[in-house]
Amino acid sequence: GAGVSQSPSNKVTEKGKDVELRCDPISGHTALYWYRQSLGQGLEFLIYFQGNSAPDKSGLPSDRFSAERTGGSVSTLTIQRTQQEDSAVYLCASSWSSGTGELFFGEGSRLTVL
Amino acid sequence: KQEVTQIPAALSVPEGENLVLNCSFTDSAIYNLQWFRQDPGKGLTSLLLIQSSQREQTSGRLNASLDKSSGRSTLYIAASQPGDSATYLCAVSLSSGSARQLTFGSGTQLTVLP
Repeated sequence: GAGVSQSPSNKVTEKGKDVELRCDPISGHTALYWYRQSLGQGLEFLIYFQGNSAPDKSGLPSDRFSAERTGGSVSTLTIQRTQQEDSAVYLCASSWSSGTGELFFGEGSRLTVL
Repeated sequence: KQEVTQIPAALSVPEGENLVLNCSFTDSAIYNLQWFRQDPGKGLTSLLLIQSSQREQTSGRLNASLDKSSGRSTLYIAASQPGDSATYLCAVSLSSGSARQLTFGSGTQLTVLP
């Protein structure tokens, strides 16, 4: 597609359930990022993928969070046993080069944990 | 640890005014700095990317400057329009190590009154 695509755009779940958020980056982009934006907060870095290198997971807030990127393209962010504090907008971004080029963001997935 | 600060947090101006948004960062060893715009409920749209070797970038009514040594960047918007109303975010990428993720400021919420 022409831009970064994320799904679902909105997800409401019950506390304790697992959720999966999907990101389809711009074709050819080697770098992919996940960020989280909580209400009234800035963007919080979660994880970064660059090509076939080991991902930088330094931003993941707990072991309930994990992400994978298959075939260097689509990425899935999984949150297990969701908590209310996980409620946020999860933003995915991609870029051409080794994480230092211009970033292009998707519209985000808004997660609400009841 | 890189910290990015944006002042003011909110700004309201009448249509037609020129305005300046400020961004400061604590670690001057940056690779690039990027300005984004975020409309309510939407993802981020890249406005301007300034490499560390550059002093400024221009796009239409927007001009971004970078003073790496003092840890500052400004976004100048000429002849503001109501359609410019949005939150403006700056983000920096460090030049060393594996810290390829962008560090974001908390944004300036701009309202341009018709």
